[in-house]
Amino acid sequence: DADVTQTPRNRITKTGKRIMLECSQTKGHDRMYWYRQDPGLGLRLIYYSFDVKDINKGEISDGYSVSRQAQAKFSLSLESAIPNQTALYFCATSEWTGNTGELFFGEGSRLTVL
Amino acid sequence: AQKVTQAQTEISVVEKEDVTLDCVYETRDTTYYLFWYKQPPSGELVFLIRRNSFDEQNEISGRYSWNFQKSTSSFNFTITASQVVDSAVYFCALSEALSSSGGGADGLTFGKGTHLIIQP
Repeated sequence: DADVTQTPRNRITKTGKRIMLECSQTKGHDRMYWYRQDPGLGLRLIYYSFDVKDINKGEISDGYSVSRQAQAKFSLSLESAIPNQTALYFCATSEWTGNTGELFFGEGSRLTVL
Repeated sequence: AQKVTQAQTEISVVEKEDVTLDCVYETRDTTYYLFWYKQPPSGELVFLIRRNSFDEQNEISGRYSWNFQKSTSSFNFTITASQVVDSAVYFCALSEALSSSGGGADGLTFGKGTHLIIQP
């Protein structure tokens, strides 16, 4: 089983719908991240969390919200999806102590907003 | 703020040719980490290498090699004798180390990626 699991892996939805992407990890890491990937733009950070009480906005947080339900779970929500949120979304984790910044990624969630 | 530039958006070579992917970075920190990730057509991100700013030794792993030069703020990646299976998008990334909270507190800063096409 993957250490970082994202659900759903693929989702097609309509404009205005609420969508939640879920991420769970078995690595025991404190830090969790949500990234968005668009063709030609690389990966951009949406939100990150150092622990269940700490949530921080990333580069492109507008239109998104997150919830850190437990150390192992970090969910990304789109309250009212719009077509330009069509993208590939990645969850990632990293360690706290001795951290080199290396991220461990989930397999990605492909979201299409019609 | 940190920045990673991959100027080559797409490279196409014929199988067995050598190919180098360029990566130039900007950071104010003296301690930082550089990474390369591979994204094959299936979409997952595959970790290739991590290098810290104090280690300028070049590294070779099979057909892959990395050239880290602090003087030019570059961390280039070379594939020798390329194969069709090397076709993918390759990302260079940077993490700044924060002494008080550990490295990479804000996650990685990625370049926009280089799409490598290896033609048979």
